[in-house]
Amino acid sequence: QSALTQPASVSGSPGQSITISCTGTSSDVGGFNYVSWYQQYPGKAPKLMIYDVSIRPSGVSNRFSGSKSGNTASLTISGLQAEDEADYYCSSYTSSSTLDVFGAGTKVTVL
Amino acid sequence: EVQLVESGGGLVQPGRSLRLSCAASGFTFDDYAMHWVRQSPGKGLEWVSGISWNSGTIDYADSVKGRFTISRDNAKNSLYLQMNSLRGEDTALYYCAKDMEGTFHYYHMDVWGKGTTVTVSS
Repeated sequence: QSALTQPASVSGSPGQSITISCTGTSSDVGGFNYVSWYQQYPGKAPKLMIYDVSIRPSGVSNRFSGSKSGNTASLTISGLQAEDEADYYCSSYTSSSTLDVFGAGTKVTVL
Repeated sequence: EVQLVESGGGLVQPGRSLRLSCAASGFTFDDYAMHWVRQSPGKGLEWVSGISWNSGTIDYADSVKGRFTISRDNAKNSLYLQMNSLRGEDTALYYCAKDMEGTFHYYHMDVWGKGTTVTVSS
């Protein structure tokens, strides 16, 4: 069981916006601005999409954005495209322990 | 080109040991913390261990603490994971990942290898 809670799946139609949530506690998501998001295609290595809640690494599409409110961080994908269909994982710095650095992951389906 | 290449995986019997290696290139290895992350078949990502740039700070997931040892050789641009007392639940694809920082506790893994597969079975 992950310390960071993500929905198992989120879906949307091409062109729509979807949001994936990542809920933690004040010891991790809520207490620090060190939330990261990773995208993973089947059979491929993960890719860093967002770090420090809302910063996009160079080369990541600006259709991906991150935010945080209280103990919940969110990844929003705008203008959803077929290529966005993948698994997405959140992670966070935690002051409590190193158990379950990653959320369980969210499968994004483009309808 | 920034690159991480893992090696050392394979089929091993329960209770035995295995040593994974990760060769880094294309960046100043000793500036950055490194991680091992694993993924069991059909499952999510599991952080296994992290090591700071100078090996001064090391930590492990509870599931491997006392059995796995992470280390690095900055002169050889290499990261290692010594895995002892292996169990069936350690079966996974093991990724080596570079952090964006010299410390690993922010989990900013910006470069990943393709992974090496470890199968623990009799």
